[in-house]
Amino acid sequence: DAKTTQPNSMESNEEEPVHLPCNHSTISGTDYIHWYRQLPSQGPEYVIHGLTSNVNNRMASLAIAEDRKSSTLILHRATLRDAAVYYCILRPNTGNQFYFGTGTSLTVIP
Amino acid sequence: GAVVSQHPSRVICKSGTSVKIECRSLDFQATTMFWYRQFPKQSLMLMATSNEGSKATYEQGVEKDKFLINHASLTLSTLTVTSAHPEDSSFYICSARSLSAGTITDTQYFGPGTRLTVL
Repeated sequence: DAKTTQPNSMESNEEEPVHLPCNHSTISGTDYIHWYRQLPSQGPEYVIHGLTSNVNNRMASLAIAEDRKSSTLILHRATLRDAAVYYCILRPNTGNQFYFGTGTSLTVIP
Repeated sequence: GAVVSQHPSRVICKSGTSVKIECRSLDFQATTMFWYRQFPKQSLMLMATSNEGSKATYEQGVEKDKFLINHASLTLSTLTVTSAHPEDSSFYICSARSLSAGTITDTQYFGPGTRLTVL
C-alpha cells in the first residue's frame, strides 16, 4: 500500500542543508503528505506535514510540487542528531492509516 | 505534549505463551490507535487500527485471533500476542491520533516500541 518512492540512502555534511526527495505520483487530491523520522530501536518521530502549500516548522521545511506528485523535506542545517531513517507517507483524508515505504537513511558526516 | 508510552519496552517469553503490550496516550485523548510491527532492517508494517469502544480493523494477512487488540478507553490500547512463536519476534510500535487541543490533531504520535523476543 506504500505509495511513495524515496532514495534508499543519502549523505550530508554536518551544518549543511539537506534535501530529501519523495515521489508520490499517484497522490489523490485529499491525501496529506507526512514526514517522520526514526532512530534505531525507537518509534517514529513526527517532523512535518502538509497538503498543498509549503510548510515550515522548527524542525524542517516541506516543499510540495505544484502538481503534488513530489515533495522535498528540507533540513536547513544538518546535525549529527539528524541521522535517521526519514519516511514520507501519504495519509488519506478518511481512515488516517499510514502505510510506510522504505524510507531514506540519512547519514550526517562530521 | 502528545506523549505515547508503551509497556513493557522489552519482553522475552517462551514459545506458546501469550504476551500483552500496553499503549497509553499520556497527555491527550485518542479515539484511534494503531499497531505496527517492524522486523530488523525493514520498514513499519501496519497491523491494525483500533477505535475506542469498538472492534479493531486488521490489515490483510494479519491474524485477528493471534493478535488481540483491545481499546477500552480513550488513553489505553492493548495488543496481546497469543501463543507466541519465534517468528513473532519483532519490534511492536503503537501510535495514537490526538483529539486534544494543543496537539496536531491530524497526525499520529508514536510510542517508543516494544521489543518482543520469543524463545
